[in-house]
Order: sequence, then C-alpha cells, then structure tokens
Amino acid sequence: DGGITQSPKYLFRKEGQNVTLSCEQNLNHDAMYWYRQDPGQGLRLIYYSQIVNDFQKGDIAEGYSVSREKKESFPLTVTSAQKNPTAFYLCASRGRQVNTEAFFGQGTRLTVV
Amino acid sequence: RKEVEQDPGPFNVPEGATVAFNCTYSNSASQSFFWYRQDCRKEPKLLMSVYSSGNEDGRFTAQLNRASQYISLLIRDSKLSDSATYLCVVVASGSARQLTFGSGTQLTVLP
Repeated sequence: DGGITQSPKYLFRKEGQNVTLSCEQNLNHDAMYWYRQDPGQGLRLIYYSQIVNDFQKGDIAEGYSVSREKKESFPLTVTSAQKNPTAFYLCASRGRQVNTEAFFGQGTRLTVV
Repeated sequence: RKEVEQDPGPFNVPEGATVAFNCTYSNSASQSFFWYRQDCRKEPKLLMSVYSSGNEDGRFTAQLNRASQYISLLIRDSKLSDSATYLCVVVASGSARQLTFGSGTQLTVLP
C-alpha cells in the first residue's frame, strides 16, 4: 500500500540533545513538508522541499534542520537550539499537480524530559 | 493579515443541526482548495476538495466564492462522529510554498 510513514510515534528528548524524526513516503511525491502543531493550535510550517537536494525554510525553521537526499525521505532534526520542542510533528507529501491533496503521516509526539 | 483565516470556534451544536464554516484567503492566485478533518491527537485527513462549481458528498457541501475569496463547508444532519477540527487548505500556483493551512475550526456535536 502506498503511503507516508513517520517514526517514531512517541519520542522523548533530554534537554540539550538533538533528535531526528523520520518521514518516508512511497507515493512518488516530489514535495514534502514538516509541520509543528501545539495543543489547540493550527499547523505551522517548519521546512519544505519540492525536489531532491533542495529545501526551503518555513515560518518557524529556527532550531530545526532537514535533508532531502532521496525523493522518498525527508528527515527532520530537532536541535538543542530549539528551546521549546515539545509538540506534535507532522510530515506531509504532495504530488506535483496543483489540484492534488497532501497526505500526512501519523505524526510524532515529541516531549522534552 | 494571515494568508488563510478561519473562525476558530468552538462550534457546539446539537445532533441533527446544520452547521457552516467559512474560510477566507488573501492570495488571489490561489487555485486549489481543500477541507481536511483532524481528530484529537491524530493527523489531518482529506475530507473533500472544493471545486469552482461547488461539490457535495453526502451530508457535506463545499462551496468556493472566488470573487469574495472564501470557501465554505456545510454539514447537514450533524452526527456525534462529526466532532473534530476542520482545516481549510489553499494552494496557490506560483507560490513556492504552495500549501497554506488555516488554523482550524473546532466542532463539537452534542447528544
């Protein structure tokens, strides 16, 4: 079955640690996105990539980094520079045509302990 | 001004009621529009696309008004299972970011 997979589902980070969230899709989508969602809030764009080896900052990129070495994969690293990383992280992918919808992974819930 | 704006609600309605949500967008170059549903602590899932002529899927009707730059979602005969947050999504061609989400409207259907 085609889809988009995020892992892990739950992640605990100690203060000062970097952690990497995985996002893989087998939908052959060019565009991939990372969003952060805080309780009761909407989705805020962290980074997006429209093609392999290229990515752009979103609205809240500080403290995060990404890579896009393969079309299928768009991992997100939450660095120690991100002062308030506890949130729900969502990865999405989308085809090239303007009328296509975005598909989401199940999300990763990150908690700083 | 936000690119996409929604009334955050919450909307609390009795079972069987009809409820409508609006979403306004600022980019006149926007070309595609969607409504997503998000359940608590889950990922958003596509509810329906919004076409220029309007479209209906069972109890759900979506409309697009390009002149006034808004989209709407109408839910008839509300069910308890309709309780969720509804997100509008706008796609603008020529925009490198392409995909813009509203902040969501929370709906609770009461027994």
